[in-house]
Amino acid sequence: KNEVEQSPQNLTAQEGEFITINCSYSVGISALHWLQQHPGGGIVSLFMLSSGKKKHGRLIATINIQEKHSSLHITASHPRDSAVYICARPGTASKLTFGTGTRLQVTL
Amino acid sequence: GAVVSQHPSRVICKSGTSVKIECRSLDFQATTMFWYRQFPKQSLMLMATSNEGSKATYEQGVEKDKFLINHASLTLSTLTVTSAHPEDSSFYICSAPLPGRYNEQFFGPGTRLTVL
Repeated sequence: KNEVEQSPQNLTAQEGEFITINCSYSVGISALHWLQQHPGGGIVSLFMLSSGKKKHGRLIATINIQEKHSSLHITASHPRDSAVYICARPGTASKLTFGTGTRLQVTL
Repeated sequence: GAVVSQHPSRVICKSGTSVKIECRSLDFQATTMFWYRQFPKQSLMLMATSNEGSKATYEQGVEKDKFLINHASLTLSTLTVTSAHPEDSSFYICSAPLPGRYNEQFFGPGTRLTVL
């Protein structure tokens, strides 16, 4: 069992749909990263959160430390949101353990 | 925000040759950098931690003699894939945390290595 699990693995949505990606982890943490990997491979850090909720544009990330669960939401999805979304938890010496990623495809 | 660059972005080489990949922090000093490898449709896997002024720390199963890491300065780490083989073809990414803020990491754009 991976320390960091994501669901779903693949997600297809139509433009405008509300999207939720889930991340569960088995080891207690103080913070969690959400990353976006574009089709070309480049990675952008979307959020780092340790409690509650953060919002940036159409992206919202929530975390429940007690339940070891985090969600990434995308409102009014757009084809340009198509990417792989990865959650990652920091461990000792700042090493990150990555989830398996959720491949999102948003169609017109 | 902080910027991390990688060079080259893409490299194709013949089997048996060595390839050097550079990772630079452009507007901050990074005493630590991380190197990851990602095979198609798989998650990123940490290969090693690059430490300025000391030896790199390798993850289990990563050959240190094959993947040479040199953290030459506070803004530059290099990964050299020695005697590359087709199975080394992968996407290599580096990241660097901000000094004193180790939960915040910035990723390079990645280097796609193809070994023929």
